[in-house]
Amino acid sequence: EIVLTQSPGTVSLSPGERATLSCRASQSISTNYLAWYQQKPGQAPRLLIYGTSSRAPGIPEKFSGSGSGTDFTLTVSRLEPEDFAVYFCLHFDGSFLTFGGGTKVDIK
Amino acid sequence: QLQLRESGSGLVRPSQTLSLTCSVSGDSIRSGFYSWSWIRQSPGKGLEWIGNIHQSGTTHYNPSLESRVFMSIDRLKNQFFLKLNSVTAADTAVYYCARDLGMLPHIWGQGTRVIVSS
Repeated sequence: EIVLTQSPGTVSLSPGERATLSCRASQSISTNYLAWYQQKPGQAPRLLIYGTSSRAPGIPEKFSGSGSGTDFTLTVSRLEPEDFAVYFCLHFDGSFLTFGGGTKVDIK
Repeated sequence: QLQLRESGSGLVRPSQTLSLTCSVSGDSIRSGFYSWSWIRQSPGKGLEWIGNIHQSGTTHYNPSLESRVFMSIDRLKNQFFLKLNSVTAADTAVYYCARDLGMLPHIWGQGTRVIVSS
């Protein structure tokens, strides 16, 4: 089973700054099978990125994903107030999905 | 606009069966070739994928829950269902249903809280 480790657990940033979030897999995975979600308090998660770098429908360009092998990154280019949330990475194979533990982005 | 809404037992006794319904509106569950997922979230375990069911009826379950999970679908009622038996306190969580994009949960319901307690 693939284990996803996200770091940092919490990052404190100011509006306008760039957020760079890490997701590390316990073994090498295909870039096709790595996704990112955003979750705000009291809401369900929202799919942001799939296939490592493809934005889901309706997701703005400020969200971008990259990576390969075991190391993947979600970047939020300029943080706006609505971007302060928890971000999860997810790996899936043909029949099984695993979430990372999440990174909270809070306001400095 | 597609919407999903979870409903069911909010309080379940230990060793009993948790039963949830996901009602789909804004589109037919028979349209397209989508699969439909159940995911849960608890403070202790974070987000955990429970499994999914294709509109054809094919299921995939999380191996850690497979022995206790059953999913089904009712295309006429535009609903799909989750049953989890022999529950313990570890099954206390917010349960979400979702329509998948490929294998990825994409459009989510608001979630329903289930507490396992005597």
